[in-house]
Amino acid sequence: GAGVSQSPSNKVTEKGKDVELRCDPISGHTALYWYRQRLGQGLEFLIYFQGNSAPDKSGLPSDRFSAERTGESVSTLTIQRTQQEDSAVYLCASSPGILGTEAFFGQGTRLTVV
Amino acid sequence: AQSVTQLDSQVPVFEEAPVELRCNYSSSVSVYLFWYVQYPNQGLQLLLKYLSGSTLVESINGFEAEFNKSQTSFHLRKPSVHISDTAEYFCAVSLPFSGGYNKLIFGAGTRLAVHP
Repeated sequence: GAGVSQSPSNKVTEKGKDVELRCDPISGHTALYWYRQRLGQGLEFLIYFQGNSAPDKSGLPSDRFSAERTGESVSTLTIQRTQQEDSAVYLCASSPGILGTEAFFGQGTRLTVV
Repeated sequence: AQSVTQLDSQVPVFEEAPVELRCNYSSSVSVYLFWYVQYPNQGLQLLLKYLSGSTLVESINGFEAEFNKSQTSFHLRKPSVHISDTAEYFCAVSLPFSGGYNKLIFGAGTRLAVHP
C-alpha cells in the first residue's frame, strides 16, 4: 500500500478482555516498530522487528503484551486481560531498515478500556 | 546506553517569537538525526533530517536544525513561529542494529504551544 495501515482505528473494550491490533507496513520495509502514546504523553517504545533478526522486546511493559510479525509482512500486537491503564493510542511505523532512513507512521489505533 | 533526550517537555511561546526545541543524544558511533512533528489529532510525519554534509538542515515550513557533533545536539529552531506550528515535536536518532540494519530511537517529545 501507499502508507502504513493500522486497524482498527478505534477500539473500545471491556477491562479483562483481550485485544488484537494490526499493522500493515509499507511493502518492502524490513523494520517495524510499535509505540504507545498515552493522552498528552510522548512516544513509549514497545517492540522492534527487523528482518529475520530477533525482535527487540525491551519496551513491552508486561507479559500481557506480545507481538508477532511473519517475515516482512503484517504485525499484530496483542494485549491480554486489558486494564484501564492500557488505554492509549498504539502507533505502528515501518522503515526500509537501512542506516539513515526514516520511519513512516500509521495513524494509530485508539484503544479505550472501560 | 544510547539515548535521545529532549530537555523540555513543553515550550509555550507567543506568535512571531523565535523558538528553540532542544535535543541531545548519546552515542559512541556516527548517527543520523531526525525531527518529526505531530499536529493535533494527526499522525507523526518527518519534518527534517540530517544524514551528512552541511550540519544545518532546513524544512519547507521555516524550521531548521543544526547538528553539533561536539555537543551531541540537534536543536530545532524557527525564527518566527505561527499559531499553526502548535504541535508535538519528536527528535530521533538512527543507530546501527544487528545484521547491518538500523534502529530509530525517539525522544519523549516537546509540546510546542504557540499563543496569539
